Amino acid sequence: SQTIHQWPATLVQPVGSPLSLECTVEGTSNPNLYWYRQAAGRGLQLLFYSVGIGQISSEVPQNLSASRPQDRQFILSSKKLLLSDSGFYLCAWKGDRFSEKLFFGSGTQLSVL
Amino acid sequence: DAKTTQPTSMDCAEGRAANLPCNHSTISGNEYVYWYRQIHSQGPQYIIHGLKNNETNEMASLIITEDRKSSTLILPHATLRDTAVYYCIANQAGTALIFGKGTTLSVSS
Repeated sequence: SQTIHQWPATLVQPVGSPLSLECTVEGTSNPNLYWYRQAAGRGLQLLFYSVGIGQISSEVPQNLSASRPQDRQFILSSKKLLLSDSGFYLCAWKGDRFSEKLFFGSGTQLSVL
Repeated sequence: DAKTTQPTSMDCAEGRAANLPCNHSTISGNEYVYWYRQIHSQGPQYIIHGLKNNETNEMASLIITEDRKSSTLILPHATLRDTAVYYCIANQAGTALIFGKGTTLSVSS
């Protein structure tokens, strides 16, 4: 069966420090992968999605970047974190080629202080 | 993608049916209606989706009006564990899902 792993669960980082969040999927090949962010009290915002290795689409200009170095690995990064980068970060993969049925990871709660 | 409108919040008694409405009056012919829910501090969970016909699975039923301008998600026997934010999304196949603010459903005993 397919599973998605996302870590760490919580992270506290100072302003100006770098960030690397990793997401891996098991049990499937060539999945569409997504990064979403949810700021406190707000809705889910799509940040990046990828349809294959090295293919990244950015939905909003921001202080973040994404990379997909391997088929089932999706990484969210920042060189210098801002206070506004705080939020709940969720990775997801698409479970069905013919629909937008997404499976989400357990998320990373990032606090930038 | 078509914009959807949902009530901000709803209440439901445990054991009763929860009927969550969604308006999508500008939906196009090739856009599906998706429903997800998000329990506090967890990632969203897929519930159901449909195009024109009503759909039912082990979690819920989706009723889409004939003109497709609105839909209703039905949880037949709500439990306390169904308390969550429910998102209705109109989406064209092959495009990423855009989540709105959803409806906060509170189920009480």
